[in-house]
Amino acid sequence: DVKVTQSSRYLVKRTGEKVFLECVQDMDHENMFWYRQDPGLGLRLIYFSYDVKMKEKGDIPEGYSVSREKKERFSLILESASTNQTSMYLCASSSPSRGQGWYEQYFGPGTRLTVT
Amino acid sequence: AQTVTQSQPEMSVQEAETVTLSCTYDTSENNYYLFWYKQPPSRQMILVIRQEAYKQQNATENRFSVNFQKAAKSFSLKISDSQLGDTAMYFCAMDTGSARQLTFGSGTQLTVLP
Repeated sequence: DVKVTQSSRYLVKRTGEKVFLECVQDMDHENMFWYRQDPGLGLRLIYFSYDVKMKEKGDIPEGYSVSREKKERFSLILESASTNQTSMYLCASSSPSRGQGWYEQYFGPGTRLTVT
Repeated sequence: AQTVTQSQPEMSVQEAETVTLSCTYDTSENNYYLFWYKQPPSRQMILVIRQEAYKQQNATENRFSVNFQKAAKSFSLKISDSQLGDTAMYFCAMDTGSARQLTFGSGTQLTVLP
């Protein structure tokens, strides 16, 4: 089974702190994603990566950065955490499904971040 | 831009009954894929069912089936014989293929009542 793990289930940080959220997948997937999930808004894409050292902005990249030094690991960085970044953060990975042109995304358990 | 809309924030259904979750979408692409994902309480999100836009036949996976109306841009999920384990947040999502990204709806919280 594909496994996507995230470094923490719950995290509490103070305003202004630098925050690292780590995500690791074990299925050699090319694509990795970071979303934030907020009630009534669904999942919104922050950043994604199609390859090592490659990154693309999603819909809401402001206040975030990412790093992908190894294929299996994709990190989300909050340079200076703010209270409006309190949210659930989900990591996902994907690969083409048997060459059929669609990609199933596999999700991690999520990190609930609270910024006080 | 692609959008996915789920207009039912919460729904409930009695165990063993059938429930339908609604989803509408908008895209200018001709080739795309639609998905329903399930997020159980405190558990990881998993794929429930998918539909290729070029296929007219509605997808079915055991108790889960979809009603795909391409002209109306509608993609509803029907759950038959609802079980307590079906209690979850359900997200409708679309993949237009060109960027391998998913666009998600806002979700529907489904509660199955005993």
